[in-house]
Amino acid sequence: KAGVTQTPRYLIKTRGQQVTLSCSPISGHRSVSWYQQTPGQGLQFLFEYFSETQRNKGNFPGRFSGRQFSNSRSEMNVSTLELGDSALYLCASTPGTGNGYTFGSGTRLTVV
Amino acid sequence: AQTVTQSQPEMSVQEAETVTLSCTYDTSESNYYLFWYKQPPSRQMILVIRQEAYKQQNATENRFSVNFQKAAKSFSLKISDSQLGDTAMYFCAFENRDDKIIFGKGTRLHILP
Repeated sequence: KAGVTQTPRYLIKTRGQQVTLSCSPISGHRSVSWYQQTPGQGLQFLFEYFSETQRNKGNFPGRFSGRQFSNSRSEMNVSTLELGDSALYLCASTPGTGNGYTFGSGTRLTVV
Repeated sequence: AQTVTQSQPEMSVQEAETVTLSCTYDTSESNYYLFWYKQPPSRQMILVIRQEAYKQQNATENRFSVNFQKAAKSFSLKISDSQLGDTAMYFCAFENRDDKIIFGKGTRLHILP
């Protein structure tokens, strides 16, 4: 059974640019969540999608957005990148409440 | 709002010893789920163990067990016979009906040879 796949694994972008990260959940998992991980702040919740609808949103500026497609694949977009957006972005999927997440390997974004 | 607190930023123990990682949480709900995740240097987050709040019995997975004290809102992880491969960042996490999982800041665990 394939795990959660995130692409790309590494990304280097310049301030002001925008970036799109992709996540393919485990087959059958309809809930996909995104987290930003930094050494200082730990794991910060970005948003959660279920059946193409954003069900939860964290406390991030509007520059951070996401979407989910009918096949449950999800993308997150960050516009007008800032140096502080440099982080590991983790995607996770779950079949439902209480089952815990299965995480992808993450996308390491570096903004220069 | 729910919060998860891990009071030990970093710990070191000798191989084969037993180690306990602490976690406390705050919630007004009665039905929820608690988890411990492990993130080795390879950065892949792995679910170690889960506990349902309405179950009194503490969860156990091989060398990993929890001490769940619902009234005290405490959820500690015990690793028995620790191995070098247990070296990782450990995160305590809480989930309620909102399907949003809140993580603690993590405890960095070093297993020393």
